[in-house]
Amino acid sequence: GDSVTQMEGPVTLSEEAFLTINCTYTATGYPSLFWYVQYPGEGLQLLLKATKADDKGSNKGFEATYRKETTSFHLEKGSVQVSDSAVYFCALTPRGAQKLVFGQGTRLTINP
Amino acid sequence: GAGVSQTPSNKVTEKGKYVELRCDPISGHTALYWYRQSLGQGPEFLIYFQGTGAADDSGLPNDRFFAVRPEGSVSTLKIQRTERGDSAVYLCASSSYVAGDEQYFGPGTRLTVT
Repeated sequence: GDSVTQMEGPVTLSEEAFLTINCTYTATGYPSLFWYVQYPGEGLQLLLKATKADDKGSNKGFEATYRKETTSFHLEKGSVQVSDSAVYFCALTPRGAQKLVFGQGTRLTINP
Repeated sequence: GAGVSQTPSNKVTEKGKYVELRCDPISGHTALYWYRQSLGQGPEFLIYFQGTGAADDSGLPNDRFFAVRPEGSVSTLKIQRTERGDSAVYLCASSSYVAGDEQYFGPGTRLTVT
């Protein structure tokens, strides 16, 4: 079945460091891909998405590119801030379906 | 406007008891989803409603779990004969009718079965 595998956490970085959180997926056909974020004490919220191959999603300085050839959707940010500390979830929606299939999440901590 | 709301925020129950968890979606959203999140894991899909009908219930783990949405708005997730393994955060999300539209999540109900 469809699945998402993310980089194991936790990840700890210093402020202004470069961030990459790896995400790969297994799916039939071409799913839509998402990154969701859960800030401390808050609910899940959509960070960015891409719906077809080579699309780049971006928001709040974060980017991820839909790579069909490597079945990946890695999350990147050039200079992280303390306020980026959160749990990040990679997810997909299978083609023709509405449900989200999530990875296990990666906890990110940014130190000042 | 108001987001997705879920009640109660916390529920502690004894093994074998029956529980109901409620979800109020964003007004006008026709799609509603239930997910379950165990500690340290990503959310796991349970069921999806389009209007009043369950369009996909493939994630319900067994027949102890049931969900309804009688008027196409509020939904209730019902768990019979609860087991300790049912302990998790139950998340509700809603979205508009447009396929692939963003799902907006509620804060969740933390269920603890003792």
